[in-house]
Amino acid sequence: GENVEQHPSTLSVQEGDSAVIKCTYSDSASNYFPWYKQELGKGPQLIIDIRSNVGEKKDQRIAVTLNKTAKHFSLHITETQPEDSAVYFCAAAGNQFYFGTGTSLTVIP
Amino acid sequence: GAVVSQHPSWVICKSGTSVKIECRSLDFQATTMFWYRQFPKQSLMLMATSNEGSKATYEQGVEKDKFLINHASLTLSTLTVTSAHPEDSSFYICSAEGRQGASEQYFGPGTRLTVT
Repeated sequence: GENVEQHPSTLSVQEGDSAVIKCTYSDSASNYFPWYKQELGKGPQLIIDIRSNVGEKKDQRIAVTLNKTAKHFSLHITETQPEDSAVYFCAAAGNQFYFGTGTSLTVIP
Repeated sequence: GAVVSQHPSWVICKSGTSVKIECRSLDFQATTMFWYRQFPKQSLMLMATSNEGSKATYEQGVEKDKFLINHASLTLSTLTVTSAHPEDSSFYICSAEGRQGASEQYFGPGTRLTVT
């Protein structure tokens, strides 16, 4: 089955700096890669996603890159703000849906 | 985007009682719904997959007689925790998948279950 690894598990950045979270996957059949933001006591919220036919996607301060050959994809948050503090999960989906282990991001004001 | 609701958002029950959690897709039809369990500071763990009108498929290690799942319509799935024990206390999250498959999966806000 699929194995999705996510790094780092915790990340602290100063407000205004960039944050990068990386994920790797193992199943070549995975073709959809969403990223979720989960705030304390809430369900995951989709923030951005990318499909296998695209190498990069951007939405304001958030961007995702995908390297299918190397089987890794990354989330980039620029100009971080305190409200970006949350747990972020990557996922890889093909026939099934697999979550990464999560990254706790803290943006220090 | 699509909206998935869960009810209740939190529940406290006594050991030995049963608790039902509802998951609804509010603005789209969900052919498949998923139930996850999440422990503090951990990722989501898939418990079972339910397809409308058929029996749920449980992940290895999940007791199907303890976690009863019913997916009676394209907009509603329920998870019943039977004879709950303190170790069942957790955050339960559902997701609903639309007809486009995994690319159309939306998560509910979660239900915090505490068994005393």
